[in-house]
Amino acid sequence: DTGVSQNPRHKITKRGQNVTFRCDPISEHNRLYWYRQTLGQGPEFLTYFQNEAQLEKSRLLSDRFSAERPKGSFSTLEIQRTEQGDSAMYLCASSLGNGGTINEQFFGPGTRLTVL
Amino acid sequence: GQQLNQSPQSMFIQEGEDVSMNCTSSSIFNTWLWYKQEPGEGPVLLIALYKAGELTSNGRLTAQFGITRKDSFLNISASIPSDVGIYFCAGPRSSNTGKLIFGQGTTLQVKP
Repeated sequence: DTGVSQNPRHKITKRGQNVTFRCDPISEHNRLYWYRQTLGQGPEFLTYFQNEAQLEKSRLLSDRFSAERPKGSFSTLEIQRTEQGDSAMYLCASSLGNGGTINEQFFGPGTRLTVL
Repeated sequence: GQQLNQSPQSMFIQEGEDVSMNCTSSSIFNTWLWYKQEPGEGPVLLIALYKAGELTSNGRLTAQFGITRKDSFLNISASIPSDVGIYFCAGPRSSNTGKLIFGQGTTLQVKP
């Protein structure tokens, strides 16, 4: 399978714990995005990378959130001191970083986070 | 800020019927994207539109980029049960940003 993959698919944690999610983009894509989706809503942008550089962060990304893409391939999203309001689906997407299809983002299956 | 408004919010139709949904914005978009999402999965890209007035098909799906650049339409012909899901329109905040703005979705249910 050559699509975007995310791990884990589901995560249940207790409030105050730290969690980390991983995303592996489509191999030739140099742009990688993180979104958050809550029930009944469309995905909301969190941050994106061009290769290893983090180019934009949403104000939704509080200090407890950090994302990395150290070698320009896979990315991790860490949430520290989780809160119940962090419960959501975390989606990763990737796209080519140039050309006319720059905005055609391909999504992974998501990681469903439940904070108890 | 930019927002995308989708209508209708939900549809319940009979198998074989045609479906139309739309997406409007108060701002101009240079690209319109249509995604479908099924429960527990990520959105799947259906159609991308790049020019005002453009009409693009993908199987039974046809999408149009509105002439005003502030709206887009998605039609599904001869619906089948596997068309069930949530359909989202999306567009980039500006020409080269990585940020997509999504509508709130149109939920489609198809009765066999």
